[in-house]
Amino acid sequence: NAGVMQNPRHLVRRRGQEARLRCSPMKGHSHVYWYRQLPEEGLKFMVYLQKENIIDESGMPKERFSAEFPKEGPSILRIQQVVRGDSAAYFCASSREMRDSPLHFGNGTRLTVT
Amino acid sequence: SQQGEEDPQALSIQEGENATMNCSYKTSINNLQWYRQNSGRGLVHLILIRSNEREKHSGRLRVTLDTSKKSSSLLITASRAADTASYFCATSDFGNEKLSFGTGTRLTIIP
Repeated sequence: NAGVMQNPRHLVRRRGQEARLRCSPMKGHSHVYWYRQLPEEGLKFMVYLQKENIIDESGMPKERFSAEFPKEGPSILRIQQVVRGDSAAYFCASSREMRDSPLHFGNGTRLTVT
Repeated sequence: SQQGEEDPQALSIQEGENATMNCSYKTSINNLQWYRQNSGRGLVHLILIRSNEREKHSGRLRVTLDTSKKSSSLLITASRAADTASYFCATSDFGNEKLSFGTGTRLTIIP
């Protein structure tokens, strides 16, 4: 039973380019979360999605960032016109549709903006 | 904003000793969870304690929760070198599905 799969593991983009981060949740999981982590810091919540719906995007910057979780296919976190401050590790997690269900994390995508 | 704050930020102990990490949070919670993160990897769920529970055990892990003080502790007994990692507490508010993570304790076990 594969865990949460994120790709790519490492992504390098020049300032102004677009970054697309993909996340395939664990089988049977319908909830997806995206978190951002800076070096030596904790995880900052970005967005929570269920299939085809954004439930909570209170942690997402208002501009340049968007997320989706289509009926078919992986969840995508999209960052347009990247800036150096976007450099970070982005983690995806998934859970079952159950109260108190723990999160299962992928190994993250490390985005470097040059 | 960060909900939880772990203490200490960093802890180094000898293999075989017990390690205790604390977490304080700000608002009323539905549950509190502890996660572990090895360098360069994703977080791994360790244990969940509900707001109506005071103590929970899982193998060498013991978690306590004091809702009156808005704090929790994670005890790792008989530490091993493989326990070296960062440990995070995370809280879930009532009516809110998202988990808010603390800043983490970096634990180093010296062989």
